[in-house]
Amino acid sequence: QITLKESGPTLVKPTQTLTLTCTFSGFSLSTSGVGVGWIRQPPGKALEWLALIYWNDDKRYSPSLKSRLTITKDTSKNQVVLTMTNMDPVDTATYYCAHSHVGTGYCFDYWGQGTLVTVSS
Amino acid sequence: QSALTQPASVSGSPGQSITISCTGTSSDVGSYNLVSWYQQHPGKAPKLMIYEGSKRPSGVSNRFSGSKSGNTASLTISGLQAEDEADYYCCSYAGSPWVFGGGTKLTVL
Repeated sequence: QITLKESGPTLVKPTQTLTLTCTFSGFSLSTSGVGVGWIRQPPGKALEWLALIYWNDDKRYSPSLKSRLTITKDTSKNQVVLTMTNMDPVDTATYYCAHSHVGTGYCFDYWGQGTLVTVSS
Repeated sequence: QSALTQPASVSGSPGQSITISCTGTSSDVGSYNLVSWYQQHPGKAPKLMIYEGSKRPSGVSNRFSGSKSGNTASLTISGLQAEDEADYYCCSYAGSPWVFGGGTKLTVL
């Protein structure tokens, strides 16, 4: 049974750096073909893909946010960490992590419950 | 990379069928059969309904089906039920980046 859960601050100030952790179970990020991605959703708006890390440590980023994002993994802890620098109120959103696999065309087949991050002074 | 284009809203009566379109470009939807569809109820995480254009994950009702023609993918829901009322998002994976649609609100009348 695959589960994922996001954790991190619920409130950050403008210009601060956001660090979110995705803790998962039911799969290993050292298994070939596996990836973990981050997707966000501002209140009342659409989903937006942010970043994804593959089992082989290959990393992909949204072109529009690439300069602000870093994704890393700790296979031994079953965790993926996303950092986003220079936070702005427009970054207020629910942030989700999700499992991805080559067997399903690298869609996002399992999602965490999401964590709401508010950017405000 | 621009978001995929979906209608903002669609509606249908119980028992009817509806189709939600998702239009991209020859660089994403048109190049690969890697479109996925997600259902999202208010306050909940998205749920995968269709992957690789037309495949259903285990446990998803066969009332949900996907197809593609050119640069446009489609999700069809047959035999509409009240619990189908939700937001639906398409997503295209073209190697990178992943691109989501703007979402479609389905109302069951």
